[in-house]
Amino acid sequence: QKEVEQNSGPLSVPEGAIASLNCTYSDRGSQSFFWYRQYSGKSPELIMSIYSNGDKEDGRFTAQLNKASQYVSLLIRDSQPSDSATYLCAAVRKTSYDKVIFGPGTSLSVIP
Amino acid sequence: GAVVSQHPSRVICKSGTSVKIECRSLDFQATTMFWYRQFPKQSLMLMATSNEGSKATYEQGVEKDKFLINHASLTLSTLTVTSAHPEDSSFYICSAVRYPGQTLGNEQYFGPGTRLTVT
Repeated sequence: QKEVEQNSGPLSVPEGAIASLNCTYSDRGSQSFFWYRQYSGKSPELIMSIYSNGDKEDGRFTAQLNKASQYVSLLIRDSQPSDSATYLCAAVRKTSYDKVIFGPGTSLSVIP
Repeated sequence: GAVVSQHPSRVICKSGTSVKIECRSLDFQATTMFWYRQFPKQSLMLMATSNEGSKATYEQGVEKDKFLINHASLTLSTLTVTSAHPEDSSFYICSAVRYPGQTLGNEQYFGPGTRLTVT
């Protein structure tokens, strides 16, 4: 079982729709969670961080965390073609040092 | 903001030579930096964790004698690919950890990456 799992996609949504990206993690001790966006040929860019159960909103992005279900999601409202990218979910696993585990990423395509 | 730079952005070298890649945190101090490798259409693969003032921690399967990491200061980590071979051609990305105050956060900020091609 992978530590952080995501649907690989591709996920296609029409412009203006809500894109929903899901992520599950296996380590119950994970405390911090992140969503990164990566355009083809570029390095990842931090979009959202979430540390406690519930929703966290930032502009068109909403991150949701449910530690009991070990589930993290990212909603993108009013999706734009520029949102087309690969979205990486990450969780911090406590070891002797903080280790960030990345999921394989979900490819999102927003169709004009 | 939290800006991380990487140099060079692209490098082409001949097989058998060594290449050094620099990673700098420009507006914050980073006690921890990470080095990743990414092959086309694949996810990030963590190579090693670089801690300022101590030896790097390498992931399983990564040769520490081939990928030399030096975290000389709180703003600079270097990765040297020694005796490079064509199979080392990849996209190398560093990240620096910025701790947001007293929270549990561990936000990583990525450099723009270095595309290495070994001929």
